[in-house]
Amino acid sequence: NAGVTQTPKFQVLKTGQSMTLQCAQDMNHEYMSWYRQDPGMGLRLIHYSVGAGITDQGEVPNGYNVSRSTTEDFPLRLLSAAPSQTSVYFCASSSPRRLTEAFFGQGTRLTVV
Amino acid sequence: AQTVTQSQPEMSVQEAETVTLSCTYDTSENNYYLFWYKQPPSRQMILVIRQEAYKQQNATENRFSVNFQKAAKSFSLKISDSQLGDTAMYFCAFMKPYGGSQGNLIFGKGTKLSVKP
Repeated sequence: NAGVTQTPKFQVLKTGQSMTLQCAQDMNHEYMSWYRQDPGMGLRLIHYSVGAGITDQGEVPNGYNVSRSTTEDFPLRLLSAAPSQTSVYFCASSSPRRLTEAFFGQGTRLTVV
Repeated sequence: AQTVTQSQPEMSVQEAETVTLSCTYDTSENNYYLFWYKQPPSRQMILVIRQEAYKQQNATENRFSVNFQKAAKSFSLKISDSQLGDTAMYFCAFMKPYGGSQGNLIFGKGTKLSVKP
């Protein structure tokens, strides 16, 4: 049971480049979400999904897109990277029947230069 | 909107001693969950302990216990017999189990705990 898998673990982008952070879970969880972690800011919610085909914005959605075509995958897209998007990104998943047991990926450290 | 406040950016404790990390939150909800997460240098997010708001009894997990004061909206974490492996960032978090944004976590800014030998 792999849990939540994020790829890549590290990435350096140039300003204006696009990329997709991948997140996959093998627990058949309906709920998936993306957070970003910045020094002194804790983790903040970017986007979330309560099931395939359903997504919604969190606290800091600007500059990011998501889609949820399958239960397993929830990719996060940066269309035009900016230095302000330098951060550590976490994907998480949970079941609505066991909300208190959220599973986190290992995180992706993204640097935009 | 819910907010979570951790007023201690950094703390240190001697090995084998006890330390308490503070957390306050603001919500108009009556039913919710509270959590403490540990993030060691490996960056992994590890659930330490959780508390359901409708339970008056404070949660305990081995050396970790909470002091949950619902009326005061306070949720502190006590670590007894501190160990070097407890050195980490600790985050307090809030979750609504229903309604819009259910299941999503609202985090405090974290407390960096150093355990000294």
